[in-house]
Amino acid sequence: DVKVTQSSRYLVKRTGEKVFLECVQDMDHENMFWYRQDPGLGLRLIYFSYDVKMKEKGDIPEGYSVSREKKERFSLILESASTNQTSMYLCASSSLPGQGSTGELFFGEGSRLTVL
Amino acid sequence: GQNIDQPTEMTATEGAIVQINCTYQTSGFNGLFWYQQHAGEAPTFLSYNVLDGLEEKGRFSSFLSRSKGYSYLLLKELQMKDSASYLCAVIGGFKTIFGAGTRLFVKA
Repeated sequence: DVKVTQSSRYLVKRTGEKVFLECVQDMDHENMFWYRQDPGLGLRLIYFSYDVKMKEKGDIPEGYSVSREKKERFSLILESASTNQTSMYLCASSSLPGQGSTGELFFGEGSRLTVL
Repeated sequence: GQNIDQPTEMTATEGAIVQINCTYQTSGFNGLFWYQQHAGEAPTFLSYNVLDGLEEKGRFSSFLSRSKGYSYLLLKELQMKDSASYLCAVIGGFKTIFGAGTRLFVKA
């Protein structure tokens, strides 16, 4: 059974704290993604990675950074959390489109972050 | 710019048919997905269209017209468990961009 695992389902942090969200996939996927999901706005892409040590900005990268040291692990870092970063964070992975794959995303269960 | 539009909410009756529309304008296009998301859960894959036409999978069908930038998801024989959000998404290159989602309420 394919799996994307996010380290924490619920976190509460204070403004200014550094926050790490971890994501691990066991499908040997090349691509990994971090989205945030907010009511009325849907899923918005923060960062993605198509290979180890490679990263690309998504649509809303400000205030975030990422790390991909190993193929199976993709971390999202909030250097100094702010209240407007309170959200549901979803990690996803996919194989490369083509070669029998559509590039569909497999999602983790999500991490709900509250910044006070 | 990139834009994916779909209705915010829809309500339908158990046993009926419902069509959820999606229009898109994106800088790249390698296919269109529909995902289902139940409240409090992660999105799960429903369908994929890359060529024009209808793809049928059980009670669910998805249609694509690339020239019109238009897709719809058709759900037949609605069941209460179909109450969920339905997300239209376009993949271009490595990136998948989502619409805001349509919340579907199925009533008895």
